[in-house]
Amino acid sequence: DIQMTQSPSSLSASIGDRITITCRASQSISTYLNWYQLKKGKAPKLLIYAASTLQGGVPSRFRGSGSGTDFILTISSLQPEDSATYFCQQSYRVPLTFGPGTRVDIK
Amino acid sequence: EVQLVESGGGLVQPGGSLRLSCAASGFTVSNNHMNWVRQAPGKGLEWVAVIYAGGSTSYADSVRGRFTISRDNSNNTLYLQLSSLTVEDTAVYFCARVPRGIDASDIWGQGTVAIVSS
Repeated sequence: DIQMTQSPSSLSASIGDRITITCRASQSISTYLNWYQLKKGKAPKLLIYAASTLQGGVPSRFRGSGSGTDFILTISSLQPEDSATYFCQQSYRVPLTFGPGTRVDIK
Repeated sequence: EVQLVESGGGLVQPGGSLRLSCAASGFTVSNNHMNWVRQAPGKGLEWVAVIYAGGSTSYADSVRGRFTISRDNSNNTLYLQLSSLTVEDTAVYFCARVPRGIDASDIWGQGTVAIVSS
């Protein structure tokens, strides 16, 4: 199975800050990497697919980059509604696997 | 409106069974790949199973032989039959659509909770 890791596990930042979350795969997955946002009691939300393609309706402050084994999710200007947990997920092969998540809090 | 609505969760004893349903509206289930994903209390997301548009299926090792994913095209509904349940299966279960061509789950339901406890 392809193992996914994320760092940091949590972070706290101020409104307007730029934040980055790193995701690493245990083997090359090309650009088969997706990012999801999860808020308590809500359905997960797809933010980025194919490593860098912004899902429709997602604000442009979200940006994804990377290929192979190393990927980054950047939020260019943190907003109050961005308080959530973010997961990366590889869709290169089954079993699909998720990273452990990064919790983002607003200071 | 394109949406997914899960139901069927509840409290069940170890060794018991549940059938989860995921009713789709605004699109046709059989034209898409469909995933079940779960989140145990305090844990991350875990992929459970997929049914491809062509009808083939695949499962996580942790549930293979105990869970069965299926769909009813006439009702436009996805199912997950859970059997031989253990406390480790306690989770919120989400269904999600994977449109052909993007290899990502773009529409998710709100989830249904399965609690396995004696």
